[in-house]
Amino acid sequence: AQSVTQPDIHITVSEGASLELRCNYSYGATPYLFWYVQSPGQGLQLLLKYFSGDTLVQGIKGFEAEFKRSQSSFNLRKPSVHWSDAAEYFCAVGLGNTGKLIFGQGTTLQVKP
Amino acid sequence: NAGVTQTPKFQVLKTGQSMTLQCAQDMNHNSMYWYRQDPGMGLRLIYYSASEGTTDKGEVPNGYNVSRLNKREFSLRLESAAPSQTSVYFCASRMDRDEEKLFFGSGTQLSVL
Repeated sequence: AQSVTQPDIHITVSEGASLELRCNYSYGATPYLFWYVQSPGQGLQLLLKYFSGDTLVQGIKGFEAEFKRSQSSFNLRKPSVHWSDAAEYFCAVGLGNTGKLIFGQGTTLQVKP
Repeated sequence: NAGVTQTPKFQVLKTGQSMTLQCAQDMNHNSMYWYRQDPGMGLRLIYYSASEGTTDKGEVPNGYNVSRLNKREFSLRLESAAPSQTSVYFCASRMDRDEEKLFFGSGTQLSVL
């Protein structure tokens, strides 16, 4: 069965420090992979997506993610975190081209001044 | 451009009451979705509609019904609300040619007492 695991429920980093959020997936075919961000009281906004091609994908707000098929991972990174990055981050796998997504549990990012 | 609009934003129900959550999008999207978000569980798909006049069950459809009234609107109905349906509900839509990118509404926070 398809699934997405985000091992870290809560992460705290200092402003200006680098960030890596982990995501592991289970899916039988070539996955469509996504990272979404949710600010408090808001809906989800797409940060980036991977369908095929270059395994390092660039997204909005300075985020990037690397698809590693051998590790079934799609980790999100940012070189220097800003206070405005504090939010909840969701990794998701798409079930073909249906728009149906399987989400991970989410990782809450706290940024220390 | 309003995007995806959900009403109401907050709702409190008593067990056994019924209500309908409304969702409308003004982006001429074909596909629409209803997700629920629960702490520690990410988002789970309730129902979706690939086009006007069609609906299909998602991962957690029990206790819900949906109507795709027209291309713009996709409503979610709770016929007899239960405390287990306390959640935050998100509507989303997708332009099919955009390969899986979902646009989310800002959510409806529902409490069932």
